[in-house]
Amino acid sequence: QVQLVQSGAEVRKPGASVKVSCKASGYSFLNYGIIWVRQAPGQGLEWMGWISPYNENTDYAQNFQGRVTMTTDASTSTAYMELRSLRSDDTAVFYCARESDDVSGGKYFDYWGQGTLVTVSS
Amino acid sequence: SYVLTQPPSVSVAPGKTAKITCGGDNIGTKRVHWYQQRPGQAPVLVVYADSDRPSGIPDRFSGSNSAHTATLTISRVDAGDEADFYCQVWDSDSDYWVFGGGTKLTVL
Repeated sequence: QVQLVQSGAEVRKPGASVKVSCKASGYSFLNYGIIWVRQAPGQGLEWMGWISPYNENTDYAQNFQGRVTMTTDASTSTAYMELRSLRSDDTAVFYCARESDDVSGGKYFDYWGQGTLVTVSS
Repeated sequence: SYVLTQPPSVSVAPGKTAKITCGGDNIGTKRVHWYQQRPGQAPVLVVYADSDRPSGIPDRFSGSNSAHTATLTISRVDAGDEADFYCQVWDSDSDYWVFGGGTKLTVL
């Protein structure tokens, strides 16, 4: 069965960086994009960007341009999201998800990781 | 940028039907996806491409989309359906995935 398993909770000081991992299993990793979503406490979902494990093409949301880097390691079927210059308002749960793409349904996020809480505090 | 508008909350009695709306400019021309997020859990896709259901999602969940409003309908609601629900579209003008603000479904 398809699974996305994320790394554990992190605590960082303002100005630091964090790198979250997302290990995929149960499907062909190269055939599906991976997206990342941020959810601040009590708030909604915010798309951060997308990466293709096939060719490592990326597309970052404007709100995160210059601060985020998404990468993948095909040898371990793992995606990574690094966020730099952390601020207190980056405190959030970060989710990875698989982006499916079919002819009739278009693109959508059909499997999600369990989420990783990143706390930014001095 | 494209904006999706959802009511903050919807309440429904057990066994009744809940309708959660998602408004957007000409949203009927886009494919709308819906996610359910129970407290403390990751989102789950419940409807994609306006009205299709992933495997494992009960047929009590259905969707429609026309003109400026998409609607998620949940029939025979029970306590286990309490969650936040988010609509989502791809905005091709800005190359952006857009989420609605979310609707909290409360089962009375």
